[in-house]
Amino acid sequence: NAGVMQNPRHLVRRRGQEARLRCSPMKGHSHVYWYRQLPEEGLKFMVYLQKENIIDESGMPKERFSAEFPKEGPSILRIQQVVRGDSAAYFCASSPEGLAYNEQFFGPGTRLTVL
Amino acid sequence: DAKTTQPTSMDCAEGRAANLPCNHSTISGNEYVYWYRQIHSQGPQYIIHGLKNNETNEMASLIITEDRKSSTLILPHATLRDTAVYYCIVRPMDSSYKLIFGSGTRLLVRP
Repeated sequence: NAGVMQNPRHLVRRRGQEARLRCSPMKGHSHVYWYRQLPEEGLKFMVYLQKENIIDESGMPKERFSAEFPKEGPSILRIQQVVRGDSAAYFCASSPEGLAYNEQFFGPGTRLTVL
Repeated sequence: DAKTTQPTSMDCAEGRAANLPCNHSTISGNEYVYWYRQIHSQGPQYIIHGLKNNETNEMASLIITEDRKSSTLILPHATLRDTAVYYCIVRPMDSSYKLIFGSGTRLLVRP
């Protein structure tokens, strides 16, 4: 059973470009979470999605950031018009249906560098 | 959400037990204690969680004090691969999808 997959693992963008980060949850998992980790800091929750629904986006900046988890295909975290402050590691996690306190399984992350 | 306090860093010798403390003095009755770790350049890895009883699995043991205000994660025989940042997280059941990571404890296992 493959784990959570994220791609690309490393992404370099120039200021003003768009960044698209993809996350494929573990097989059978329908809950996806995105976290951001700035250098030398802990992870910060961004958004929680279920298939075709955003459940909680309270941790996501109101502008330039969006997330989706379509019925088919991976979850996408999209950052428009990137700025240097967006440089960070972005981690995706997934969990199965069922009890709310299921553990979250994390992917290897995408490291975004904005030049 | 309850706040957790952990030492910034610790070290232990390979093969010895690593005991990582965590204070969560404002924890409430419906909150679990979770431990995750993050090995350098990897995503966090779930270790163990508990409510009020001590727990053990193949990775570690979790000892929670009777008043639940503190806990200790025990790695019984630390190896070099256990070098990582260890996060103690208090997780309320009603909004339990949101993991709140603090600064964690940086554990260095020495050869």
